[in-house]
Amino acid sequence: QVQLVESGGGVVQPGRSLRLSCVASGFSFSTYAMHWVRQAPGKGLEWVALISYDGIHKYYADSVKGRFTVSRDNFKNTLYLQMDSLRAEDTAVYSCARGVLVGATTLYYWGQGTLVTVSS
Amino acid sequence: QSVLTQPPSVSAAPGQKVTISCSGSSSNIGNNYVSWYQQLPGTAPKLLIYENNERPSGIPDRFSGSKSGTSATLGITGLQTGDEADYYCGTWDSSLSGYVFGTGTKVSVL
Repeated sequence: QVQLVESGGGVVQPGRSLRLSCVASGFSFSTYAMHWVRQAPGKGLEWVALISYDGIHKYYADSVKGRFTVSRDNFKNTLYLQMDSLRAEDTAVYSCARGVLVGATTLYYWGQGTLVTVSS
Repeated sequence: QSVLTQPPSVSAAPGQKVTISCSGSSSNIGNNYVSWYQQLPGTAPKLLIYENNERPSGIPDRFSGSKSGTSATLGITGLQTGDEADYYCGTWDSSLSGYVFGTGTKVSVL
């Protein structure tokens, strides 16, 4: 079955960096676009980034553009999110999600997420 | 601040029906498929509806989706206590070049 397992979260000071990973299994990782989504404590879902199946096309939410970078390694079945210049408002559970073969309107499977806390 | 608007909460008795609206614009709902996600307390979101009205395997037909113009609707019939959760609509926004979620709706079973 499809599994998405995030890691790399933790407590980090404002202005520092953190890299999240998402290991995928149970499907052909190199065939699907992948998303990062976050949810601040007690808040709703916020989309963060999308990367195409081949890693060529990348899209970001305005709130993270210029600070976060999404990438993938199709040989390792792994998705990454490099987060730089972190701010308190970036505190959230970060989840990866698998897209669909065509289009970008559906996040089909979701991981459980990893918590990132930005605090001094 | 989300570009997709949902009611904060809806409620009904067990066995009854609820509907959740999701209002957007031509750059998102008006020209793209809508998905719906269910988030049970303390768990990751799960896909309920995709491409406006399609259900993934394993999702009961008590859940249905529809779209008209720049709005979409999720319906839940035969409401059960296990349906108490937060529900989000979502779609691609062509103007923002990004995915957008609704503000979320909490469903309560009275």
